[in-house]
Amino acid sequence: DVKVTQSSRYLVKRTGEKVFLECVQDMDHENMFWYRQDPGLGLRLIYFSYDVKMKEKGDIPEGYSVSREKKERFSLILESASTNQTSMYLCASSLGFQPQHFGDGTRLSIL
Amino acid sequence: GENVEQHPSTLSVQEGDSAVIKCTYSDSASNYFPWYKQELGKRPQLIIDIRSNVGEKKDQRIAVTLNKTAKHFSLHITETQPEDSAVYFCAASGANSKLTFGKGITLSVRP
Repeated sequence: DVKVTQSSRYLVKRTGEKVFLECVQDMDHENMFWYRQDPGLGLRLIYFSYDVKMKEKGDIPEGYSVSREKKERFSLILESASTNQTSMYLCASSLGFQPQHFGDGTRLSIL
Repeated sequence: GENVEQHPSTLSVQEGDSAVIKCTYSDSASNYFPWYKQELGKRPQLIIDIRSNVGEKKDQRIAVTLNKTAKHFSLHITETQPEDSAVYFCAASGANSKLTFGKGITLSVRP
């Protein structure tokens, strides 16, 4: 069974802080994705990666960056956290054109 | 880019009745259409998917139909049960493995 693990279920940070959200998958998937989920807006893609050190912007990349130094790990970085980045963040991974598997999510609050 | 719309946004059915959730997409190049179920506080989980080379796929009480000409696809749940209550997301993707999600529908099954 595919396991996608996000480092924190809940996180509280302050405005202006640099925030790191970590995601690890154990199935050697080449594709990894970061989404944010807000009520009434569904899942919106922030960034994705097809391979180590590769990244592509999704639909809402502003205010975020990513890092993929190892195949199994994909990090989302909020360079200077703002209150409008309070949200649920979901990581997913997939193999080729196979379905995406999601982690449990990180509920991030920016105060 | 792709735009996926999901209607209605909420649906309430009596236990034992059928539920139908419809989605439309805009990019005629899209060729993969998954459906995810998200229970309260849990990760989205794939329940069924369909590729553009087939028109219908069934898995026990769940079926998905695809009309490429009209660019819409639907999720059909028969003999609904209270445990079917959840948020359901449709999505579409094309040549890359990037998914565009609809905003989600909240299905309530009344006992």
